[in-house]
Amino acid sequence: KAGVTQTPRYLIKTRGQQVTLSCSPISGHRSVSWYQQTPGQGLQFLFEYFSETQRNKGNFPGRFSGRQFSNSRSEMNVSTLELGDSALYLCASSFGAVTAINTEAFFGQGTRLTVV
Amino acid sequence: QQPVQSPQAVILREGEDAVINCSSSKALYSVHWYRQKHGEAPVFLMILLKGGEQKGHDKISASFNEKKQQSSLYLTASQLSYSGTYFCGTEASGTYKYIFGTGTRLKVLA
Repeated sequence: KAGVTQTPRYLIKTRGQQVTLSCSPISGHRSVSWYQQTPGQGLQFLFEYFSETQRNKGNFPGRFSGRQFSNSRSEMNVSTLELGDSALYLCASSFGAVTAINTEAFFGQGTRLTVV
Repeated sequence: QQPVQSPQAVILREGEDAVINCSSSKALYSVHWYRQKHGEAPVFLMILLKGGEQKGHDKISASFNEKKQQSSLYLTASQLSYSGTYFCGTEASGTYKYIFGTGTRLKVLA
């Protein structure tokens, strides 16, 4: 079956702009979670959407937002970009909630965002 | 609250064994382990459940310590393909937020 697809793979944006990243989960999976990966901070949880509802959110400013559509595809938006937002953004797809015991999460290849 | 992994980095020869630890300030009820190769997405390796049950890889195993505040990942007879960064992942106690450990870079040499 098809894996998790993230688009675009690479993005270069200017400070102050906004960006939208997309994640298409594995068919039948209801949860999409998003993560930011940087060399300094490692992998950090952004938020999780489950059946179109935001289930939880990590410690990121309100500039980071997301949504999930009825087909489980999810988008993540970052407004007023800052240099520090440069990172690899990963999404993961799972049938159950990502924190549920016994859940296996499948990651997409990520979107590499560079803010200049 | 981020779990701390040790060692931070390790270099092995093919065929050698390795242990990676994931330590938390609170009890762990389930732990996921992932491996991420350079430039690639993390790949799920296994789940360790609170009763000690494991689901996943056949050459990799894991355990909890007595207080369940540490999980250890055991890599047996390492292969070149084991190289990468290993992360543990778990729920931040009672928050529904998923957190990853600090990561362990492992390199296997021929």
